[in-house]
Order: sequence, then C-alpha cells, then structure tokens
Amino acid sequence: QKEVEQDPGPLSVPEGAIVSLNCTYSNSAFQYFMWYRQYSRKGPELLMYTYSSGNKEDGRFTAQVDKSSKYISLFIRDSQPSDSATYLCAMSPRSGNTGKLIFGQGTTLQVKP
Amino acid sequence: GAGVSQTPSNKVTEKGKYVELRCDPISGHTALYWYRQSLGQGPEFLIYFQGTGAADDSGLPNDRFFAVRPEGSVSTLKIQRTERGDSAVYLCASSLNGYNEQFFGPGTRLTVL
Repeated sequence: QKEVEQDPGPLSVPEGAIVSLNCTYSNSAFQYFMWYRQYSRKGPELLMYTYSSGNKEDGRFTAQVDKSSKYISLFIRDSQPSDSATYLCAMSPRSGNTGKLIFGQGTTLQVKP
Repeated sequence: GAGVSQTPSNKVTEKGKYVELRCDPISGHTALYWYRQSLGQGPEFLIYFQGTGAADDSGLPNDRFFAVRPEGSVSTLKIQRTERGDSAVYLCASSLNGYNEQFFGPGTRLTVL
C-alpha cells in the first residue's frame, strides 16, 4: 500500500463547476500538506501549503486537512478551462531536516468550456 | 526572478550509456532536491542537498545513480550504465533553506532506448 493514495481520474467537469480533489494517507507523522498543479510537460507548481489540520483559502482554491481521518482535499470554485491539469497532493513529516515530499499519483482534471 | 532551470530538456540515450542531468536552483536557495516522475505517477524523491552535502540520499534506487553539488548551487545527477527502466522525467526543486515550499524546474525527459 502506498503512503499517499490519490484517484488518478480523469475527472471531467463543465466550466463553472465546483471541483473536489482528495488524497488519503497512512503515515500519521505527516504534518505539512501541499497541492501542486502540473500542466502537460511542465514541472509541478505549488498551489497551496498548509500545516496540520484546518482550512486554508486562496482565491478560488480551498485546501482542507483532516488529520484524524488522514484525508486532505482541494476545492476549486468556478472552475475554468485553464484549470485543466494534473493535481498532485504532497506531504512531509516536517519542514526541517530532509523536507522530502511524498506525492500522490496525481488526478487529471479537464474543465470543458 | 529566474526559476529553477534544468538542462537538457530532453535526453535520448542507449542502454548502457552514461548520462548527466544538470539543475540550476533559484539563486540563494540552499536546499536542492531531485525527484523522478514516471508516466502517470507522482514525483518520487531521490536525493536532498543542504548546501554542498547530501543530507538524504535514501531515494536513490541503486549505486548507478549519483548526484553532486560541489559549490552549493548547481547540481548534477549522474546515471551510469543506463537501463530502459530509467526512462522518466527527472525533476529538480529548490527551497530557501529546507524549511519552506519547494519550487520545481521543468524537468529533463530521459529516454533510454
């Protein structure tokens, strides 16, 4: 079993829809949680960075962390065709020391005009 | 300012050959990471440098893989006796001091024939 599980999709939604992307994890030591967006043939781009449990909002994006359930989510409101990409969750046990990230498989999202 | 850059963007080689992949991190970033991303998968950690030293090389798959960062800036990932299974996108990331979010480069797409 992988440390981080993420449904690869693909997920197809109409423009303007609310998108929900999710990851589950098994390592209770994870404390830092990130969402990256990756366009085709590009490097991952950091979208959201959260610590421990709770919500964080940035524009159309909201990240949620539920450590008790080992479950994290990314919500995208008013989705746009430009949001079409692969979304990767990533997590780390701590920001210091190694800081290496453990990634999910990525979910491919397509937003249709 | 300039982001993380990687060269070459694409590399095609034959089985058994030696390759070098270069990463130029964001200026002033002391932490540098190498990841490998296979098709349809999330990035997989290889090695982490803090300054000139490899602080964590637990992700290197075997002794054919080696990385250096002699002056604490540019890093080179070296792969000896390449195998077809080494074909992947090799991503480099840097962070300010290992305590912050990681910024990724565009990657080097390695194809071993």
